[in-house]
Amino acid sequence: DAGVIQSPRHEVTEMGQEVTLRCKPISGHNSLFWYRQTMMRGLELLIYFNNNVPIDDSGMPEDRFSAKMPNASFSTLKIQPSEPRDSAVYFCASGSGNTIYFGEGSWLTVV
Amino acid sequence: AQSVTQLDSHVSVSEGTPVLLRCNYSSSYSPSLFWYVQHPNKGLQLLLKYTSAATLVKGINGFEAEFKKSETSFHLTKPSAHMSDAAEYFCVVSVATGGFKTIFGAGTRLFVKA
Repeated sequence: DAGVIQSPRHEVTEMGQEVTLRCKPISGHNSLFWYRQTMMRGLELLIYFNNNVPIDDSGMPEDRFSAKMPNASFSTLKIQPSEPRDSAVYFCASGSGNTIYFGEGSWLTVV
Repeated sequence: AQSVTQLDSHVSVSEGTPVLLRCNYSSSYSPSLFWYVQHPNKGLQLLLKYTSAATLVKGINGFEAEFKKSETSFHLTKPSAHMSDAAEYFCVVSVATGGFKTIFGAGTRLFVKA
């Protein structure tokens, strides 16, 4: 199995631009998570889907962030407009039962 | 409510000596417990998991952890540290509560000296 696949791996964008991060979960997993990791705040859960339905989005920082899961094999996390404080590593993870498997992350820098 | 406490933010060992990373948890339900490792600029990799079977769990790279309900602990150990073990380690508790809730510890940074 290829594992959780994220793209892009690295993105540098200017403040105000739209950023879209993509995730392909492990086939057969019914849960999908988006996390953000920074030095200051550590690992934060942004949103959690179960069977493509958002279950808990209480970690989404504000209206500039949105996430979708149109089917079982694809999810996006969008930031519009982006700000320098959004610079972080964004991890997608998928789960089966109660075990979560992480992707390699998308390193976002907003300048 | 569920919580996870990693008792050390940093641990430093010499190569070839034992590793002990400490984790205490609190859970109102029967928890599943995990350890993940994150090497620099990498994602989190599952090291091992406890899901109410054997209390001593063996993982990858020679790591193991013991679930002690009476002490609400799930400490991670390795008999002999290797330079490649230098990384950040996360203890995680997960409970099924009509969905499932996963709580990450703050992480322990392991340094290995030559």
